[in-house]
Amino acid sequence: LAKTTQPISMDSYEGQEVNITCSHNNIATNDYITWYQQFPSQGPRFIIQGYKTKVTNEVASLFIPADRKSSTLSLPRVSLSDTAVYYCLVGGQDTGRRALTFGSGTRLQVQP
Amino acid sequence: KAGVTQTPRYLIKTRGQQVTLSCSPISGHRSVSWYQQTPGQGLQFLFEYFSETQRNKGNFPGRFSGRQFSNSRSEMNVSTLELGDSALYLCASSLEVGSAFFGQGTRLTVV
Repeated sequence: LAKTTQPISMDSYEGQEVNITCSHNNIATNDYITWYQQFPSQGPRFIIQGYKTKVTNEVASLFIPADRKSSTLSLPRVSLSDTAVYYCLVGGQDTGRRALTFGSGTRLQVQP
Repeated sequence: KAGVTQTPRYLIKTRGQQVTLSCSPISGHRSVSWYQQTPGQGLQFLFEYFSETQRNKGNFPGRFSGRQFSNSRSEMNVSTLELGDSALYLCASSLEVGSAFFGQGTRLTVV
């Protein structure tokens, strides 16, 4: 399994753009990059998934460089409700079937 | 579309007892996975069921077991509870091949 490295914590202010970078040097050819968000005492919530270049949905954007050894989750104009732990996962596209390995994640704190 | 529903939300049990947790997946999802989350170990995979069959299993003792019914609802059971079993137990469902959607979890406290 590809190991991921993320910052332990980040601070931001409301209205700012937040970029969380995940390093995954040993990513395999068939691996996808998936990001989850988790609030205290709740289950993780799927945010976005990508394989290469850029993926955007209504919540976030995911930037993946050509070598795919890292990825950046971009949250536009964060609000207080975006305060959560964000996990970067690397592996098969079907996150439902396989045993997901969640690292320590990045604890994002958004201040007013 | 209703999300993944886990019951109960909170539970307090005594050491040595056994407990059963329930999970109702999103309608149409036939894969159900279970995870344990603790402050020290983070999120750890327990097992995954598809069409009433266990397909994957994590590294947990045999005290942890599960099953899935024909309607895809799943239960997990922990026997002979230990203090260290206190955790947030999460259930996730998905299509046969797809993204995992998690429930809100059951907070189990063993005293």
